[in-house]
Amino acid sequence: DAGVTQSPTHLIKTRGQQVTLRCSPKSGHDTVSWYQQALGQGPQFIFQYYEEEERQRGNFPDRFSGHQFPNYSSELNVNALLLGDSALYLCASSRRSTSGNTIYFGEGSWLTVV
Amino acid sequence: SQQGEEDPQALSIQEGENATMNCSYKTSINNLQWYRQNSGRGLVHLILIRSNEREKHSGRLRVTLDTSKKSSSLLITASRAADTASYFCATDASGRDGSSNTGKLIFGQGTTLQVKP
Repeated sequence: DAGVTQSPTHLIKTRGQQVTLRCSPKSGHDTVSWYQQALGQGPQFIFQYYEEEERQRGNFPDRFSGHQFPNYSSELNVNALLLGDSALYLCASSRRSTSGNTIYFGEGSWLTVV
Repeated sequence: SQQGEEDPQALSIQEGENATMNCSYKTSINNLQWYRQNSGRGLVHLILIRSNEREKHSGRLRVTLDTSKKSSSLLITASRAADTASYFCATDASGRDGSSNTGKLIFGQGTTLQVKP
């Protein structure tokens, strides 16, 4: 049973460029969330997708956008990259339910903006 | 903004000793989850405790939850060098009545644990 998979693992971009990160959720999961983790900090919630729609959003600008596909996989897009966008981007998957459920994370994508 | 605060920020112990990490949070929660993160890697789920539970065990891990004090603790017994990592608590603050669970986690800053062989 594959867990949450993310790609690419590392990438370097220049200020002003755009980046797309990809995520495949754990088998049986239908909800994907994205988090940003700066060095030495805890992860910060960016947004969450369920049924191909953005359901919740954290305190991130519109430069951060996403998409969920019919197979539940997801993309995170960041436009007009800033140096401060350098971070580990984590994808998390879960199954929508009425009770607390475990949320699983991928290994993350390291983004460096130069 | 960070909901939780872990205490201590850093902890260094000898192999075989127990390690205790504490987490405090601010709002009512649906559940609380503990994660481990090895340097530069993803988060590994350790344990989930629901708001109506007080204690939970998993192998060498013991988690307690005190909703009246809005705090949780993670105890790792008989620590090993391989336990060296950062540990985070994360709260799911949605669905106070348990009727919904949107899975939005709010993390603390983490506790960095070093276990010396």
